[in-house]
Formats: sequence, C-alpha cells, structure tokens
Amino acid sequence: SQQGEEDPQALSIQEGENATMNCSYKTSINNLQWYRQNSGRGLVHLILIRSNEREKHSGRLRVTLDTSKKSSSLLITASRAADTASYFCATDADTDKLIFGTGTRLQVFP
Amino acid sequence: DAGVIQSPRHEVTEMGQEVTLRCKPISGHDYLFWYRQTMMRGLELLIYFNNNVPIDDSGMPEDRFSAKMPNASFSTLKIQPSEPRDSAVYFCASSPGTGVGYTFGSGTRLTVV
Repeated sequence: SQQGEEDPQALSIQEGENATMNCSYKTSINNLQWYRQNSGRGLVHLILIRSNEREKHSGRLRVTLDTSKKSSSLLITASRAADTASYFCATDADTDKLIFGTGTRLQVFP
Repeated sequence: DAGVIQSPRHEVTEMGQEVTLRCKPISGHDYLFWYRQTMMRGLELLIYFNNNVPIDDSGMPEDRFSAKMPNASFSTLKIQPSEPRDSAVYFCASSPGTGVGYTFGSGTRLTVV
C-alpha cells in the first residue's frame, strides 16, 4: 500500500519557472524524503526533512513539512530542462522502511 | 564506491521459468531493500534486511517470491515459477541506517512472456 499521494500527477513548465509538487501522507512519521527518478533509471535521494523541521533547503530545492496537515511540498526554483523527471515523496511511518508515494511527472520545456 | 549494483539489467523469460535477480549493496550499509515498480501499482516494498536478517517480508506478493542475503555484500530475489504479471522493474536499495536516504541501484527490468 502507498503512504503518500503526490499532487499534481503531472506538471509541465517552461525553463526558468518554478515547479511545486505536493505530497500528502496518512500516518505519523519520523522523516519525509524526496527522490528523483529519470526515465529508465533508479531513484536518487534529493533531501530529507525530519518531523521536527518545518523547512529545508538544498541548492534550488526547498522542502516544507506540515505535520499537522500531514503534507509536504517540494519547490524547484529556476527550473532547467535537466530537471525533467518523476519526483517521489517517501515516508517512514515510524518504521525502518520507506513507503513511496505515487509520484509527480515533471516536464521542463527549454 | 560503485554504488548499488544490480544484475542483470534486463531479463526476458518464459512463464514458468525461475528468475534470479542479484544485488550488491554499498559496503558498510546495514540495510537492504527490494522494491518493485509498475505503472499500475507504483513502487512497492517487497522485503528488507538489516544486518543480513530479513526484517519485514509482508510485501512479498506470493510464495513464488523468495529473497536471501547470505552475506553483507550480496542479496538475491528469486521468482519461481515466474508469471507474466511479475513483469516489472525490480530495484534494490541500501542505506547505512535509519533516518537517512537510500541509494538505489539501476534496477532489473523483468519481462515474463
């Protein structure tokens, strides 16, 4: 079963624009992680935010976490064509294992 | 480090045949995870190991699936007998502990005809 649901399912933007993806989950968590998957490749870890954190930055990425709403968002600023990929949130649901959401397919047009 | 290494990259087999997928985790990573990805069901956790011991196999779909980790540097996922509905991309991932990111392999694309 999937813990997280990403929204939107697909997103198309122009280079230079910002991309925002949202993730909702169902149970309490210790941390939430975001991953990127390029077509035909494995997932790549982007950023981890702990349950006691509200916002985290890494380069052009900004992640927020609202545990009261059980939701998180991933913002990619000044997007590039190379950002085209699927993005997944994953939560640990207070266990040792990560459960992944359904993913957002991002297309960045040059 | 070469990362998580999976083999083969692609596997095409006939229904009823045995399939063995292999994974070499990153040295020093205590956790190893097997995931399956399909369009219909997304990424599903099949089983994970901690220090070579299977901890949770509740995601293994049927008795046809089995996984082993005989040592810290090698794991296998076996399907016997294989069925067309097993067609998917199977990923192995490892991590040094809890509360940290996973490193994924490139996956094995399995097609059962």
